[in-house]
Amino acid sequence: EVQLLESGGGLVQPGGSLRLSCTASGFAFSKYAMSWVRQAPGKGLEWVSGISGGGDITYYADSVKGRFTISRDNSKNTMYMQMNGLRAEDTAVYFCAKDRVLVGASQGFDYWGQGTLVTVSS
Amino acid sequence: SYELTQPPSVSVSPGQTASITCSGNKLGDKYACWYQQRPGQSPVLVIYQDTKRPSGIPERFSGSNSGNTATLTISGTQAMDEADYYCQAWDSSAAVFGGGTKLTVL
Repeated sequence: EVQLLESGGGLVQPGGSLRLSCTASGFAFSKYAMSWVRQAPGKGLEWVSGISGGGDITYYADSVKGRFTISRDNSKNTMYMQMNGLRAEDTAVYFCAKDRVLVGASQGFDYWGQGTLVTVSS
Repeated sequence: SYELTQPPSVSVSPGQTASITCSGNKLGDKYACWYQQRPGQSPVLVIYQDTKRPSGIPERFSGSNSGNTATLTISGTQAMDEADYYCQAWDSSAAVFGGGTKLTVL
């Protein structure tokens, strides 16, 4: 059974940092691209960042480019998101999602975690 | 940046057919997929590569994509299909989601 478990969310002040983790099980982790998708309270889905199965190719939404860094450790079946310079508008539930492909254009996210809440507030 | 536009809401009677559209420039040249999200739950992929259903998704869910519009069709809509639906495509090294459509079954 595929499982994705996010952790690392919490309350942080504007300008602060957080590191999210997504631990995967039940599939060959290194063979699939992964993404972070967020959802602000009462709002729609927003793709944040993606990373290829090998970890050598990364993609970012313009809204987080230069502030967030995605990475993965395939030996630990874990993906990370280092979030720096956090803003109030980054407040959201952050989901990790498994892609159907190894690299390149997403073919759909077929498994999602339960999400972790990030709140940016003073 | 690329944008996908969905109607905010669609209503359908039980047993009838619901259609949810997703519009974007030359969307038919890209693959579209669709997600269902019930309140308080994570999204679920219901259609990928325009027309394909993942394992476990009922046959009443179908998709199409041509020109500038992708469409999710739910035939014989059931009360359990009431949810938010999002389209998604890939453009210029980024995934893009539509704004979402709230499907009401009444």
